[in-house]
Amino acid sequence: KNEVEQSPQNLTAQEGEFITINCSYSVGISALHWLQQHPGGGIVSLFMLSSGKKKHGRLIATINIQEKHSSLHITASHPRDSAVYICAVRRSGGGADGLTFGKGTHLIIQP
Amino acid sequence: EAGVVQSPRYKIIEKKQPVAFWCNPISGHNTLYWYLQNLGQGPELLIRYENEEAVDDSQLPKDRFSAERLKGVDSTLKIQPAELGDSAVYLCASRRDHTGELFFGEGSRLTVL
Repeated sequence: KNEVEQSPQNLTAQEGEFITINCSYSVGISALHWLQQHPGGGIVSLFMLSSGKKKHGRLIATINIQEKHSSLHITASHPRDSAVYICAVRRSGGGADGLTFGKGTHLIIQP
Repeated sequence: EAGVVQSPRYKIIEKKQPVAFWCNPISGHNTLYWYLQNLGQGPELLIRYENEEAVDDSQLPKDRFSAERLKGVDSTLKIQPAELGDSAVYLCASRRDHTGELFFGEGSRLTVL
């Protein structure tokens, strides 16, 4: 079982819909990142969370440390939001500081 | 601030040839990562540097892959010889030390024929 699981793997929605992407992890973490990757493009960091909720424009990210779960929400979705959204966690407790990545959620917003 | 710069963006080589990728992180970022990303997969760590020291290279296939960050600034990742299975995107990232924020380069897409 992967340490970071994302759902759904693929999501197609109509413009304007409210989008939710989920991330569950099985290790202790010090931070969780939500990343966005457009086709052929580099990765852009959207949020870094260690607790609570963050909002940036139409994007909202929440994390529940006790349940080891995070969600990324997109309000009033737009075709330009079409991308792969990746959840990544940084383990807590020292040792390797590399990130563990989920496989990503491929989002398509149709006009 | 300027972002993480990688080159080349694209590289096509024949198997058994060598290839090198270069990364210049954001100025002042001491932590630098090289990741490999296969199509449809999340990035996988190859090596992490803290300044010029490779602090995690456990996933780097050392028989054919090497990396260096001699002055603790820019870094080079080399593959010699390349194999068909090395076709992937090689991503470089750096981390802002105080906040932990990550910044990724555009990646170098390698195709081995």
